Amino acid sequence: AQSVTQLGSHVSVSEGALVLLRCNYSSSVPPYLFWYVQYPNQGLQLLLKYTTGATLVKGINGFEAEFKKSETSFHLTKPSAHMSDAAEYFCAVTLSSNTGKLIFGQGTTLQVKP
Amino acid sequence: ETGVTQSPTHLIKTRGQQVTLRCSSQSGHNTVSWYQQALGQGPQFIFQYYREEENGRGNFPPRFSGLQFPNYSSELNVNALELDDSALYLCASSFGTSGFLTDTQYFGPGTRLTVL
Repeated sequence: AQSVTQLGSHVSVSEGALVLLRCNYSSSVPPYLFWYVQYPNQGLQLLLKYTTGATLVKGINGFEAEFKKSETSFHLTKPSAHMSDAAEYFCAVTLSSNTGKLIFGQGTTLQVKP
Repeated sequence: ETGVTQSPTHLIKTRGQQVTLRCSSQSGHNTVSWYQQALGQGPQFIFQYYREEENGRGNFPPRFSGLQFPNYSSELNVNALELDDSALYLCASSFGTSGFLTDTQYFGPGTRLTVL
């Protein structure tokens, strides 16, 4: 069975510092991977996704993630945090060829300190 | 382009009651998925509808049912509500192609259901 693990339920960084949110997946077949962001009282917004091709994926708002098959990881990074980045971040994987249902991790709350 | 909308925003029900949640898909999208997000958890897949037919279901009991209409709006119905049904219910629409795997799902803001 496929699963997604996000290491660290809360991450706190200073404004301008590097953001690193960790995501590991377990899957017996190549996955498709996604990062979503959820702001308070809002739905989820897609930041980026990996399907095939280049393993370094660039997304919106300066975020990027790298698919590392050998490490079964898809960590999300941003070189310099902004106050507006404070939100809940979810890593997700899909394998179903029929529905593309997303399997989400538990989420990581990013706090950005001034 | 209109995004995904959901109604109502908040809802309070008592145990044993029935509830209907509604979702209006993004223009041009023919696929809708419903997710349940309990407090402090990631969303869990309930089911998906593609062109008005159920196209996959997660580990939810039959008292969770759905409909998709010809205009691709959708309903989620939950019968015999239980306390554990309290959650944020999210719908997500996408334009279903032969490769569902990579279709981007666009989420609505959710309906917050509280069961007392």
